[in-house]
Amino acid sequence: DAKTTQPPSMDCAEGRAANLPCNHSTISGNEYVYWYRQIHSQGPQYIIHGLKNNETNEMASLIITEDRKSSTLILPHATLRDTAVYYCIAMGGGSYIPTFGRGTSLIVHP
Amino acid sequence: EAQVTQNPRYLITVTGKKLTVTCSQNMNHEYMSWYRQDPGLGLRQIYYSMNVEVTDKGDVPEGYKVSRKEKRNFPLILESPSPNQTSLYFCASLPGRGDYLTEAFFGQGTRLTVV
Repeated sequence: DAKTTQPPSMDCAEGRAANLPCNHSTISGNEYVYWYRQIHSQGPQYIIHGLKNNETNEMASLIITEDRKSSTLILPHATLRDTAVYYCIAMGGGSYIPTFGRGTSLIVHP
Repeated sequence: EAQVTQNPRYLITVTGKKLTVTCSQNMNHEYMSWYRQDPGLGLRQIYYSMNVEVTDKGDVPEGYKVSRKEKRNFPLILESPSPNQTSLYFCASLPGRGDYLTEAFFGQGTRLTVV
């Protein structure tokens, strides 16, 4: 799997959009970008994934740059319950079980 | 309800006393994996299995064993636990090669303390 780089921490005001960046400059053509989050000692939870097109679901939006070297997870209206560690994972091409880095600790404040 | 069930949720044991943490999934998933999580180190993969009777080492396999005798169960065995295995453990399952474009499901976690 390609290595991903994320900022260790970020904060965001409640009700505002949270934009979490991820760098994956060595991603190969058949690797997808996945995002998971972990809320305080609970099991990680899947959020969204994509290959090269932007994706949106009920939880978030995923914006992948045209060269696929980076992506941004967007939580459009962050709430206090979105406070969690967010993990960006590049996976595919024969590797199907996620391995996690340190992620980004997002704190949403009132 | 689709779920991954780990037992026990909490365990305090003594050094050297063999223990098993069970993991069971009800989604007929092919792939299963064990992770440990320690402060400042994130989630690290211990072992994984891509099918019955097929297991492989992850990043931190030392001191652990696993088995996959049937698809639904993937127990984690600590033959001789040591204090450095005190950690929060997670089991995960996901569908498999043909369906890799989907999510991994995680158990609730097992908090193990070895004294």
